This record gives sequence, structure tokens and C-alpha cells, in this order.
Amino acid sequence: DTAVSQTPKYLVTQMGNDKSIKCEQNLGHDTMYWYKQDSKKFLKIMFSYNNKELIINETVPNRFSPKSPDKAHLNLHINSLELGDSAVYFCASSPHSGRSGEQYFGPGTRLTVT
Amino acid sequence: GDSVTQMEGPVTLSEEAFLTINCTYTATGYPSLFWYVQYPGEGLQLLLKATKADDKGSNKGFEATYRKETTSFHLEKGSVQVSDSAVYFCALSDNNAGNMLTFGGGTRLMVKP
Repeated sequence: DTAVSQTPKYLVTQMGNDKSIKCEQNLGHDTMYWYKQDSKKFLKIMFSYNNKELIINETVPNRFSPKSPDKAHLNLHINSLELGDSAVYFCASSPHSGRSGEQYFGPGTRLTVT
Repeated sequence: GDSVTQMEGPVTLSEEAFLTINCTYTATGYPSLFWYVQYPGEGLQLLLKATKADDKGSNKGFEATYRKETTSFHLEKGSVQVSDSAVYFCALSDNNAGNMLTFGGGTRLMVKP
């Protein structure tokens, strides 16, 4: 069984559209994350969601909004898509909110904005 | 703020060569340190970790030692294989809310037969 899954795997859309990426984990973890990986493979945290507490990275535009219907899901909604949003987005989860740092990543969603 | 710096790639080696990928960090307090690996078309996987100074993390023939005095966590492998070709990320986790990881820029390793 896939531990952390994301849908869709590929997403091609036009500027100005609104889109969502879904993430589900079946590991029973309390904490989930969204990362953005640019074309140079640089990986940057966007959000961390621990149970009902959302920790927002201040560098993320407010066009990006995570939504967590329950502990196993953390979806990413993006409004008014821009060319610069093109990237691979990774969802991850971890069993602790402390210092363990070990995270389990999904396979990624490649978003292309045209 | 926290930061991780790792050597730029790509690193190209022949099979059975010795591998070193350098990683240094800046952090307040005593972070935990990690190496993650990303195979083509996949998400990141934890390769190894160390949670305190002088700890050595090891997995699949890879090793890294947490060196507080040099703020380093270099990745080594004695004999690489073609299947080790991937992008390697050094990362740290400080004692912060949300358990967020700070990643280095990644180093692409290419192993040729």
C-alpha cells in the first residue's frame, strides 16, 4: 500500500486558473507538509499542519491555501495560478511534531502553468 | 535562520569509486541531521540520520557522521553502484514548531558503469 499518495501526478493548466492537489497518508501520522521543488531541484517547505494547527511559511503567497479535512489528508489549493508556480509539489508526513525530523514523501505532482 | 549548504553537482563517478558529498549547516541549538535521496521520478526517501554530535548514521553502505565542531555531515560510500545514481539532499531539523526540515540544494550523483 502506498504510504503517502498524491493526485494528480501531472497537472497542466493556464495562468489565472484555480487548481487543487490532493494528498493522503495512511501511516497514522499527526503532521503533514507541502514542499515546492523548483526546476533546479531546490526544495522549500511551504506549510506544516500538525493536527489542527497550521504553520504557515511566511514566504508563501496567500494564493496558496492548505486544507485539511482530517488528519490523513492535506490538500493544497492554488488560486490565480502564475507561471512561476510551475514546479513539482511534494506532500510529506511525519509521526512526530518534535525533533525526529523523519518525513515520508509522496511521489510528487508536477504542475505546469502555461 | 537555519541553513544547509552542500556541494553542487553533478558528481560523476565510475562504478566502485569512493563517494563523498559535502554538507555543512548553520543552526541554533542542536539540530538533527539527515540525508535524503531522490531517485528519478520519485519522492524523497530518508537515507540516514543522526540526532546528536558524533553520531554516525548508516544505511545501504552510506555513512555520515555528525561533526558539531565543523558543523558538517558529509555523506560517504566506499563503492558506488549505478543504482546509486540519484539526487542527494542534506537536511536539518531544529527544535521548531511543525518539525520542519531545512534542505540543502541537492547534489546529483551520476554513476557510470
